[in-house]
Amino acid sequence: DIQMTQSPSTLSASVGDRVTITCRASQSIGSWLAWYQQRPGKPPKLLIYKASTLQTGVPSRFSGSGSGTEFTLTISSLQPDDFATYYCQQYNSYSTFGQGAKLEIK
Amino acid sequence: EVQLVESGGGLVQPGGSLRLSCAASGFTIDEYAMHWVRQVPGKGLEWVSGISWNSGTTGYVDSVKGRFSISRDNGKNSLYLQMNSMRAEDTALYYCAKNGVKSDDWYFDLWGPGTLVIVSS
Repeated sequence: DIQMTQSPSTLSASVGDRVTITCRASQSIGSWLAWYQQRPGKPPKLLIYKASTLQTGVPSRFSGSGSGTEFTLTISSLQPDDFATYYCQQYNSYSTFGQGAKLEIK
Repeated sequence: EVQLVESGGGLVQPGGSLRLSCAASGFTIDEYAMHWVRQVPGKGLEWVSGISWNSGTTGYVDSVKGRFSISRDNGKNSLYLQMNSMRAEDTALYYCAKNGVKSDDWYFDLWGPGTLVIVSS
């Protein structure tokens, strides 16, 4: 089974900051990676698929990169709505989520 | 409005069974793979099971293999999850999710609000 590890698990930042979340796969998954945002009490929302393709309607301050085993989600300038939990998901072999990264207000 | 709505959750005793349903509206599911994802309140996401558009391919997380069964009825625009021999660790909010594309790339672009399953005596 493919394991996904996100880092950091929690990060604190301020509005306007640039933040990066890393996701590592236990084996190569090509570019078969998605990123989701989840706010409290809500279902997840798809942000990025195929490692770097922005889902329709998602602001351009979100970007994804990487391939193989290492991937990053970057938010270029944090907005108040961005404080949430972020999950990566591999879909190279069925599906596995990372444990999540909680983005908190500093 | 394009949406998914889950139902069938509730309290069940260990060893018991439950059947979850997911009704789609505003679109037809017949060209998309569909999935179940669960989340223990306050914890992370876990993909549980997926099924291809024509039911030809199904997949399960190891912890539910042999106990859970996913199915779909494209004519009723619905997805199901039959859960048997349930355990306390199956307690979670169960989400229904739609595949993002009409292919085997299993990522999810539409989610329901979830239905809560509690396994307890």
